[in-house]
Amino acid sequence: DIQMTQSPSSLSASLGDRVTITCRASQSISSYLSWYQQIPGKAPKLLIYAASSLQSGVPSRFSGSGSGTDFTLTISNLQPEDSATYYCQQSYNTEYTFGQGTKLEIK
Amino acid sequence: QVRLVESGGGVVQPGRSLRLSCAASGFSFSNYGMHWVRQAPGKGLEWVTLISYDGSNRHYADSVKGRFTISRDNSKNTLYLQMNSLRVEDTAVYYCARDPSGVWAGARFDPWGQGTLVTVSS
Repeated sequence: DIQMTQSPSSLSASLGDRVTITCRASQSISSYLSWYQQIPGKAPKLLIYAASSLQSGVPSRFSGSGSGTDFTLTISNLQPEDSATYYCQQSYNTEYTFGQGTKLEIK
Repeated sequence: QVRLVESGGGVVQPGRSLRLSCAASGFSFSNYGMHWVRQAPGKGLEWVTLISYDGSNRHYADSVKGRFTISRDNSKNTLYLQMNSLRVEDTAVYYCARDPSGVWAGARFDPWGQGTLVTVSS
């Protein structure tokens, strides 16, 4: 299986800040990487796919980059509704795997 | 709008079976691959299984292979997950999700249903 490792596991930031979450794959996955946001008690929501493509309806404050083994999710101008857990997910092969999640707290 | 609604969860004893359903609406169900993804209480996300738009291709996570079966009825716009020989470690919220990508490499999950809780306990 391809292992996905996110860092940090948790972080705290203030309104208006910019934060970056990193996801590293155990082998190259090209650009087959998606990012999801999960608010407590809710289903996950797709934010980014193909490493850098913004899902329709997602604010442009969210952006993704990377290829190969290293990827980042950047959230600019943090808003209260961004408080959530974020997951990366690889789809290089059909044994799809997720990162362990990064919990973002807005101060 | 696109909507997925899971049902069928509940409490079941180890070794028993359960069937989950996912009712789809607001899109052409027969045109999309579908997935099941689960989340154990307080834990992260785990992909479980996928099925192609026409049911001809299926893949399973090693953790459920041989015990779970995914199927679909395109005439009823419904996805199913038959879960046999359930284990305590299968306890989780089970989500169904549409795959808009059309390809397995590059698959993504959007949208997701609200989930249904399966608890395996004696």
